Amino acid sequence: QQQVKQSPQSLIVQKGGISIINCAYENTAFDYFPWYQQFPGKGPALLIAIRPDVSEKKEGRFTISFNKSAKQFSLHIMDSQPGDSATYFCAAPSGNNNDMRFGAGTRLTVKP
Amino acid sequence: DTGVSQDPRHKITKRGQNVTFRCDPISEHNRLYWYRQTLGQGPEFLTYFQNEAQLEKSRLLSDRFSAERPKGSFSTLEIQRTEQGDSAMYLCAITRADTQYFGPGTRLTVL
Repeated sequence: QQQVKQSPQSLIVQKGGISIINCAYENTAFDYFPWYQQFPGKGPALLIAIRPDVSEKKEGRFTISFNKSAKQFSLHIMDSQPGDSATYFCAAPSGNNNDMRFGAGTRLTVKP
Repeated sequence: DTGVSQDPRHKITKRGQNVTFRCDPISEHNRLYWYRQTLGQGPEFLTYFQNEAQLEKSRLLSDRFSAERPKGSFSTLEIQRTEQGDSAMYLCAITRADTQYFGPGTRLTVL
């Protein structure tokens, strides 16, 4: 059962453009929403995270927008750079043990 | 640096062999998780330790899989009688302030 649905599967953006990745969740008990960035051959690395008490969080070129009523959150990458080319995963902790439920991932390619 | 190391980074084995992976957090963390990631997918939860106690196992963890955390520090994941379907990246993670930090993973290829 997929509790976190992510789109698009892949995304191609020109250098300097805005990359937008969306995530929808089902479980209203989720209370923490991280985004992870993963390069080939590496483990996922925390990029930015948000709690549902705020609607937006910005860190440098990365912004999370959160819509609690729609049960959606999105990652915006401003001024996208070729070095941002990676796979991005949204996630949410689930259950008493806080194991992460991940989306299927978005492969971002930023063209120079 | 997430403070989690994994060994080996790559493992190639023949079907039917046993393999063991190790996860070493750099400092003591109560919670330790194992995940499996197949190509093109997000990580999937396998099992969880609170100190040395294994508190939860996913249905993905068949009886050929066993995990231990004998002293509440490092952890091992063993796969017996490997199958080609076990080929994946095996990730270890620890928790700090509600966030999970992942190690670099062990890439397993079963021939």
